[in-house]
Amino acid sequence: GESVGLHLPTLSVQEGDNSIINCAYSNSASDYFIWYKQESGKGPQFIIDIRSNMDKRQGQRVTVLLNKTVKHLSLQIAATQPGDSAVYFCAESPLFGGFKTIFGAGTRLFVKA
Amino acid sequence: KAGVTQTPRYLIKTRGQQVTLSCSPISGHRSVSWYQQTPGQGLQFLFEYFSETQRNKGNFPGRFSGRQFSNSRSEMNVSTLELGDSALYLCASSLRGSGTASHNEQFFGPGTRLTVL
Repeated sequence: GESVGLHLPTLSVQEGDNSIINCAYSNSASDYFIWYKQESGKGPQFIIDIRSNMDKRQGQRVTVLLNKTVKHLSLQIAATQPGDSAVYFCAESPLFGGFKTIFGAGTRLFVKA
Repeated sequence: KAGVTQTPRYLIKTRGQQVTLSCSPISGHRSVSWYQQTPGQGLQFLFEYFSETQRNKGNFPGRFSGRQFSNSRSEMNVSTLELGDSALYLCASSLRGSGTASHNEQFFGPGTRLTVL
């Protein structure tokens, strides 16, 4: 899981600042969205999810915003820490039934100490 | 509670060979999904199994197949390997479909790194 794209969008932030990672999706019928974090050498790790009947959901230091009008998803990380450095993926999947998760290309987040 | 385990972690094969990868889900999880991750294509869904039945399938050729056993362990097989099959193959398990509507989270294993020479 170390390299997930030679030309991944990259976001570089200072430790302690807030990070915003954006994602566009294409299927207007999608009803469930997830953000994953992938560190080098590991599989993706669930961060937070949101259903299509919501436009905002908060977790610990993270907030996901969903704008269905423009088919846009964002992940906000508050007080970014060096341990947040990773590749972040948005994904969409049917809410019920089986999984058929479609992942975005990913964004690499660098946190400068 | 043990996480998702995948074996082997690394594998080197040559073109034309076939390979079998194994995934042991978290205890109690009956949904097992497989994904291929490459630098060029990113993370792509291969298929999902639930209670020994394939429930969903991605857009991969028939050379890619899988199965699930009664203990929910799953294997995926790739026949007639091509250079482009070199990738990290990830397995994920979930409680989804096990009678609890809120369990949507997928837990990923560390992956099997397959190199085709």
